[in-house]
Amino acid sequence: IQMTQSPSSLSASIGDTVTITCRASQNIDSYLNWYQQKPEKAPQLLIFATSNLQSGVPSRFSGSGSGTLFTLTIASLQREDFATYFCQHSFLNPWTFGQGTKVEI
Amino acid sequence: DVQLLESGGALVHPGGSLRLSCAASGFTFNNYAMTWVRQARGAGLEWVASMSGSGDKTYYGDSVRGRFTISRDNVKNTLFLHMNNLRGEDTAIYFCAKDVDPDDYGLFDSWGQGTLVTVSS
Repeated sequence: IQMTQSPSSLSASIGDTVTITCRASQNIDSYLNWYQQKPEKAPQLLIFATSNLQSGVPSRFSGSGSGTLFTLTIASLQREDFATYFCQHSFLNPWTFGQGTKVEI
Repeated sequence: DVQLLESGGALVHPGGSLRLSCAASGFTFNNYAMTWVRQARGAGLEWVASMSGSGDKTYYGDSVRGRFTISRDNVKNTLFLHMNNLRGEDTAIYFCAKDVDPDDYGLFDSWGQGTLVTVSS
């Protein structure tokens, strides 16, 4: 299963709302997860099963979608949200990730 | 708190071998599948291999199958990745990650900081 994210990068300002799209090459139901990675750090789980926030993740993050098209939305962007975001399916092994979306100031 | 600490990364010649380790703490290790994910510099994430909590099931990505072996020691709470016949394209940071399920659910809720493997002559 191929995962394709768009855009590959975006520029935004603090307070903006940004949306990242992830498309699967086949139906993955709701088995879609999002990770955040900051420079020189390990990825961190942000959202699992399309729309469930991992413990400790601020409510300005939200996810939606089903089947083959999914979105991650960050409302009221904060300085600490500037990072790279990866989608990943957990529908069927082998697990694959999107190529990432870098959110820059 | 869950802690995962990788080690063993190094500079190795093409065709060489290396063993990575991931020391786990803060959770009941044998209750969870474990995974290796790698990331080439400036690139995306690539799933490498997974092993079930009990160690009876293993899964490999196509690019490493037959060259890499994942294993675990549930007494010492340590995950391993044995890498043979290394190639330049194996150059990456290797992360170990904890699954949410004993049987490789494919959802990774904790990650180590990574260890760098460089394959070059």
